[in-house]
Amino acid sequence: DTAVSQTPKYLVTQMGNDKSIKCEQNLGHDTMYWYKQDSKKFLKIMFSYNNKELIINETVPNRFSPKSPDKAHLNLHINSLELGDSAVYFCASSPGTANGYTFGSGTRLTVV
Amino acid sequence: QKEVEQDPGPLSVPEGAIVSLNCTYSNSAFQYFMWYRQYSRKGPELLMYTYSSGNKEDGRFTAQVDKSSKYISLFIRDSQPSDSATYLCAMRRNTDKLIFGTGTRLQVFP
Repeated sequence: DTAVSQTPKYLVTQMGNDKSIKCEQNLGHDTMYWYKQDSKKFLKIMFSYNNKELIINETVPNRFSPKSPDKAHLNLHINSLELGDSAVYFCASSPGTANGYTFGSGTRLTVV
Repeated sequence: QKEVEQDPGPLSVPEGAIVSLNCTYSNSAFQYFMWYRQYSRKGPELLMYTYSSGNKEDGRFTAQVDKSSKYISLFIRDSQPSDSATYLCAMRRNTDKLIFGTGTRLQVFP
């Protein structure tokens, strides 16, 4: 039974489109995150939610909008996709804000 | 300068070797230190979690933190081909966001 699941695993789309990535965790964790991993494997935090409340909002273009309908779900919507948005997006969760994270398997986004 | 520096490798070793992976950091406020392993096309998985300075051992893995030198290490004993992956160090201040190193790619050949 997958702990942190993301859909879709792969996403190929054209510039200018709007797309969403979904994340669900069944671990009962309170905190969820979105990270972006670039082609050089560097993981950078984008957003963090604790019990549906936004607690970290890094310097990310406002074309990216997270939504947490409940503490088990954190979705990421991206408007007007650009070539530079191509990356692997990871969702993660943790029991609190001072613990290690459990990551999903990633969504590989390619903008053409 | 990045907050967390890590040699990207690749590091190539024969099976059975002792592997040493390292990270340096600049922020003395970091208190929690972690090592993650990431296989190709998979998400990172937590290997080791330590608080403040000292050593922690788990099977073939030993994590060391030297806060005075702002230096952390992960040692892998009796390395196996299945250990071939990218190893990411990560650290945080208290309840702040987790900051990752860029990862070191390790290849263990039979």
